[in-house]
Amino acid sequence: QKEVEQDPGPLSVPEGAIVSLNCTYSNSAFQYFMWYRQYSRKGPELLMYTYSSGNKEDGRFTAQVDKSSKYISLFIRDSQPSDSATYLCAMQQGGSEKLVFGKGTKLTVNP
Amino acid sequence: GAVVSQHPSWVICKSGTSVKIECRSLDFQATTMFWYRQFPKQSLMLMATSNEGSKATYEQGVEKDKFLINHASLTLSTLTVTSAHPEDSSFYICSAELTDRNTGELFFGEGSRLTVL
Repeated sequence: QKEVEQDPGPLSVPEGAIVSLNCTYSNSAFQYFMWYRQYSRKGPELLMYTYSSGNKEDGRFTAQVDKSSKYISLFIRDSQPSDSATYLCAMQQGGSEKLVFGKGTKLTVNP
Repeated sequence: GAVVSQHPSWVICKSGTSVKIECRSLDFQATTMFWYRQFPKQSLMLMATSNEGSKATYEQGVEKDKFLINHASLTLSTLTVTSAHPEDSSFYICSAELTDRNTGELFFGEGSRLTVL
């Protein structure tokens, strides 16, 4: 079993839809959870960074962590065509520098 | 926010030649930088961890003699792909961690697309 599993999609939604992106993981030592957005031919940019279980909101984005289920989610409200990108989840153990990434989910928001 | 600059953004070279890619932290110091490669439809794969003033730590399966990493200062790490072959064609991305923070937050470069003919 891979340490981090992420459905690669692709995911296509109409503009204004609520998007839900998810990752599951097997390593209970992961303490830090991140979501990155990567546009085509660009490096990933950090969207959300969370530590504890629960929700974290930033504008139209909400990151959710459920450590008991080893499951994290990223919700995008009122999705826009500019949100079209690949979204990567990433996780890190406490005291370790190494990030473990999911495969990324390609999202297309259609106008 | 912190900025990481990567250069060149794309490079085409002949098989057998060497290519150097630079990763610079523009407005912060980075004791540690990371190098990744990304194949189409696949996740970022960590190649090595670059530590300022010491040898890089390579991930299993990554040839350290082929992918030379130098981190000579707190703002610059370089990746040299030696004797490049077509199978080395990929998207190479670096990231840097703020020296005074240990929270896992990384800042990524824009990536360098290498095409070996």
